[in-house]
Amino acid sequence: AQKITQTQPGMFVQEKEAVTLDCTYDTSDPSYGLFWYKQPSSGEMIFLIYQGSYDQQNATEGRYSLNFQKARKSANLVISASQLGDSAMYFCAMRDATGGYNKLIFGAGTRLAVHP
Amino acid sequence: ETGVTQSPTHLIKTRGQQVTLRCSSQSGHNTVSWYQQALGQGPQFIFQYYREEENGRGNFPPRFSGLQFPNYSSELNVNALELDDSALYLCASSLAGDEAFFGQGTRLTVV
Repeated sequence: AQKITQTQPGMFVQEKEAVTLDCTYDTSDPSYGLFWYKQPSSGEMIFLIYQGSYDQQNATEGRYSLNFQKARKSANLVISASQLGDSAMYFCAMRDATGGYNKLIFGAGTRLAVHP
Repeated sequence: ETGVTQSPTHLIKTRGQQVTLRCSSQSGHNTVSWYQQALGQGPQFIFQYYREEENGRGNFPPRFSGLQFPNYSSELNVNALELDDSALYLCASSLAGDEAFFGQGTRLTVV
């Protein structure tokens, strides 16, 4: 069964530094997609970045990049030049097409605190 | 902003009562999924509606039910509320299963 594992319950980083949030996944499907979402205290899930299993290059979106290591089944999120507004919960998710429809399977999340 | 609107934002219900949560999907999106996020956990998939039909369901009992309307808005109904139903309920809309856009959620407290 598909599974997402985030082993860091909490992380902290100094403002303007880079931070890596870990995510490992398990799936037997050759085709899959991996997502990272940010969830501030308001509750909304904000899409950050997407990586497809067949994408040749690691995804990047502004200060966000995804370190995709397929053989190790890891999809770590790298946030460069951290800002105070980056403090939030971060969730790694995988698109699961079992049953013929797409749904997301989420990890437990990592709480990031950015310190001035 | 994603264009996905949920109402109400917060509500408190008593154990045994019934509740209806509403979701207005992003314009043009024909698929709505509902997720339950308990405190300190990641969201769990409840079910999905596509063109007014339920086309997928997670590991939730039948007292969790839903509807999707012709304008693709959706409702989540929970009967016989239990204390463990206290959670953030998230609605996500998409176009035929592509990238999902989430609403801000409804925080349900069951006392």
